[in-house]
Amino acid sequence: EVQLVQSGAEVKKPGESLKISCKGLGYKFTSYWIGWVRQMPGKGLEWMGIIYPGDSDTTYSPSFEGQVTISADKSTSTAFLQWSSLKASDTAMYYCAKHSARLPDYWGQGTLVTVSS
Amino acid sequence: DIQMTQSPSSLSASVGDRVTITCRASQGINNYLAWFQQKPGKAPKSLIYAASSLQSGVPSKFSGRGSGTDFTLTINSLQPEDFATYYCQQYNSYPLTFGGGTKVEIK
Repeated sequence: EVQLVQSGAEVKKPGESLKISCKGLGYKFTSYWIGWVRQMPGKGLEWMGIIYPGDSDTTYSPSFEGQVTISADKSTSTAFLQWSSLKASDTAMYYCAKHSARLPDYWGQGTLVTVSS
Repeated sequence: DIQMTQSPSSLSASVGDRVTITCRASQGINNYLAWFQQKPGKAPKSLIYAASSLQSGVPSKFSGRGSGTDFTLTINSLQPEDFATYYCQQYNSYPLTFGGGTKVEIK
């Protein structure tokens, strides 16, 4: 059974760094893209970017390029989304999703990130 | 970027109704159109891909149609578990983009 298991909720202060994770289970992790999607409180879905764990090829949405870093560790079948300096506007739910040929087919349960002073 | 416009943004319907949601792309997307359902506090669930193909396990009450730039999602015989927010997404080209969502509420 394919599963994407995300790390737990985080509460951070503005300016702090953060790295959240998404572990792929039940499939060959290195053969499928994993993307990240943001959902701000009460708002819609925004596609942030995607990585191919096999070779770490990464594409970002222009809206998020330079704001976050997407990476992956093949040895642990885990993808990551990280910030070097959080802002209050980064408060959101973040979902990872396994993609098959650019199509999201399986989703993680989400990680809630709260940034507040 | 390809812009995806959904309409309506919300609708009220009764149990047993049939509803149709529309999604329009700002340029042709070669039928690389997916639909997702999201319930409050839950992750999105994949319903349809390639504009009209049902994901495994999705009931046939859901159907998708369209080509080029104009697409629809129809839900037949609405049941209480179908009240949710629905999103379209184009996956023709990066960056992938979602529609703004359609909230289906109980009348």
